[in-house]
Amino acid sequence: QKEVEQDPGPLSVPEGAIVSLNCTYSNSAFQYFMWYRQYSRKGPELLMYTYSSGNKEDGRFTAQVDKSSKYISLFIRDSQPSDSATYLCAIEDSSASKIIFGSGTRLSIRP
Amino acid sequence: GAVVSQHPSRVICKSGTSVKIECRSLDFQATTMFWYRQFPKQSLMLMATSNEGSKATYEQGVEKDKFLINHASLTLSTLTVTSAHPEDSSFYICSARGSGDRGLYGSSYEQYFGPGTRLTVT
Repeated sequence: QKEVEQDPGPLSVPEGAIVSLNCTYSNSAFQYFMWYRQYSRKGPELLMYTYSSGNKEDGRFTAQVDKSSKYISLFIRDSQPSDSATYLCAIEDSSASKIIFGSGTRLSIRP
Repeated sequence: GAVVSQHPSRVICKSGTSVKIECRSLDFQATTMFWYRQFPKQSLMLMATSNEGSKATYEQGVEKDKFLINHASLTLSTLTVTSAHPEDSSFYICSARGSGDRGLYGSSYEQYFGPGTRLTVT
């Protein structure tokens, strides 16, 4: 079993739709959860960062962590064509001092 | 703040030659730098972790003699792909972690990513 599992998509939705991106993880000891956005041929940029369980909101983006089910989500409201990118979930493995990335979900927002 | 650059952004080389990729932290001191490889439509795979002034720690399955990493200063790390072959063609991304106890988000492991280098070996 992979440490972080993410549906690769691709996911295509019309502009203005609500987007839900999800990942599952295997190690219940993980505490820090992140979402990165990566545009084509660019490095990833940190979008959201959550510690432990709960929700975190930043503008149109909401990150959610459910530690009981080892499930993390990113919601995008009022999606825009500029949101079209690959979204990677990531988890910090503090014991190994490294970040483990999901495989990424390719998202396309249709105008 | 927290800008990381990479050079070159794109390189094409012939099989058997060596290629050096630079990673620089522009506005902070990076005590630790990470090198990742990303194949098309796949995730980032950590290759190695380097601490300034120390030997790099390589992930399992990564050949240390093929991927030479040097982290000689607090703002520069280099990755040299030696005797490159077509299967080494990939997108190489570095990231850097600053000194100090906590990053912006409260984690000591917060990393800032460079824009990546696309290597094509013909």
